[in-house]
Amino acid sequence: DAGVIQSPRHEVTEMGQEVTLRCKPISGHDYLFWYRQTMMRGLELLIYFNNNVPIDDSGMPEDRFSAKMPNASFSTLKIQPSEPRDSAVYFCASSFAPGTGPYEQYFGPGTRLTVT
Amino acid sequence: GNSVTQMEGPVTLSEEAFLTINCTYTATGYPSLFWYVQYPGEGLQLLLKATKADDKGSNKGFEATYRKETTSFHLEKGSVQVSDSAVYFCALNDYKLSFGAGTTVTVRA
Repeated sequence: DAGVIQSPRHEVTEMGQEVTLRCKPISGHDYLFWYRQTMMRGLELLIYFNNNVPIDDSGMPEDRFSAKMPNASFSTLKIQPSEPRDSAVYFCASSFAPGTGPYEQYFGPGTRLTVT
Repeated sequence: GNSVTQMEGPVTLSEEAFLTINCTYTATGYPSLFWYVQYPGEGLQLLLKATKADDKGSNKGFEATYRKETTSFHLEKGSVQVSDSAVYFCALNDYKLSFGAGTTVTVRA
């Protein structure tokens, strides 16, 4: 399996522009997570989906952030308009959750976003 | 709510030194516990896990034991290498992962 795929790997944009980050989870995984990592705040969970449905978006910083999962193999995280404080590495992760027992998350390589 | 506290870094060691990173947790129920590692410029990778009390997870020379009585899951390695330089995250899972702040480890030749 190719693992979790994220694109782009790097994104540089100007303040006020729209940014769209993309994620393809591992086939068969029914949970998808979006995280943000910064030096100041560490690793933060933004939102997660189960079977394409958003379950918990309490970590989304504000209305400028939105996430969708139109099908089991694709998700987007959109920031509109972007601000310099959104600069961070954004990770997507997926997991398979059987009915019982633990499960582990598989992380993508991340998208490094720089907003100038 | 559930939370994880791990020792602050950075930690700098010489090759072949002994490494310990402390991790304690607060949780209701009986969560699974994990250690993830993040190498420079990469995403997080699962290093090891334990699913119940007294379980020992191990991988690549690293070990951690799930201690319910002390609510701890300390990571240890007996002889580190330069290639172990990374950020290490302790995490617990009750349906989503709760991560510690991460500990940066640098191993010098």
